[in-house]
Amino acid sequence: DSGVTQTPKHLITATGQRVTLRCSPRSGDLSVYWYQQSLDQGLQFLIQYYNGEERAKGNILERFSAQQFPDLHSELNLSSLELGDSALYFCASSVATGRNSPLHFGNGTRLTVT
Amino acid sequence: AQSVSQHNHHVILSEAASLELGCNYSYGGTVNLFWYVQYPGQHLQLLLKYFSGDPLVKGIKGFEAEFIKSKFSFNLRKPSVQWSDTAEYFCAVSAGNAGNMLTFGGGTRLMVKP
Repeated sequence: DSGVTQTPKHLITATGQRVTLRCSPRSGDLSVYWYQQSLDQGLQFLIQYYNGEERAKGNILERFSAQQFPDLHSELNLSSLELGDSALYFCASSVATGRNSPLHFGNGTRLTVT
Repeated sequence: AQSVSQHNHHVILSEAASLELGCNYSYGGTVNLFWYVQYPGQHLQLLLKYFSGDPLVKGIKGFEAEFIKSKFSFNLRKPSVQWSDTAEYFCAVSAGNAGNMLTFGGGTRLMVKP
């Protein structure tokens, strides 16, 4: 158990809809990262938050947004969903942002858009 | 931007066979290199990492990797695999100052036959 909790585990929704994925980081970790794993794009970095503030953006679509709350949990919002958004979405956390703070991954949320 | 290539998508080995999984990256500057493993139904876990120093790094569960700067490679090795090594293996890279903003390879699925 990595200590990172993601909910829900599975989500099935229709095109055009909006969903929210939730991540609770490991106790003591201030930084949260979101990754998307799809069959065609592999595992891609989406966005990073540290102590409530956005730190870095990767290949995140404008239809997607995220935030980190004062209690350090994070939510990833996906809107106007398309079939191609079907993927496994991972959250990871670390104590700090540097390379010496290892990432701890959650089990992911599997999103299926029909 | 950096990219990571894992040329072997699927590898099947018998127990006690030796393993080498290839990883090549493209980035001209200082890099941080990682190998992660995802066992069936589990979260991604760090196997080993390289930042600097001895280019041969040892990780958990008997795995090691060698950084060859001239070849932009960071291949993963294990002298004798076990059935429990069946998993998906991901090579990842971050730029020297990019900490945990990882770029992942496409992954290699390893199946070890008992």
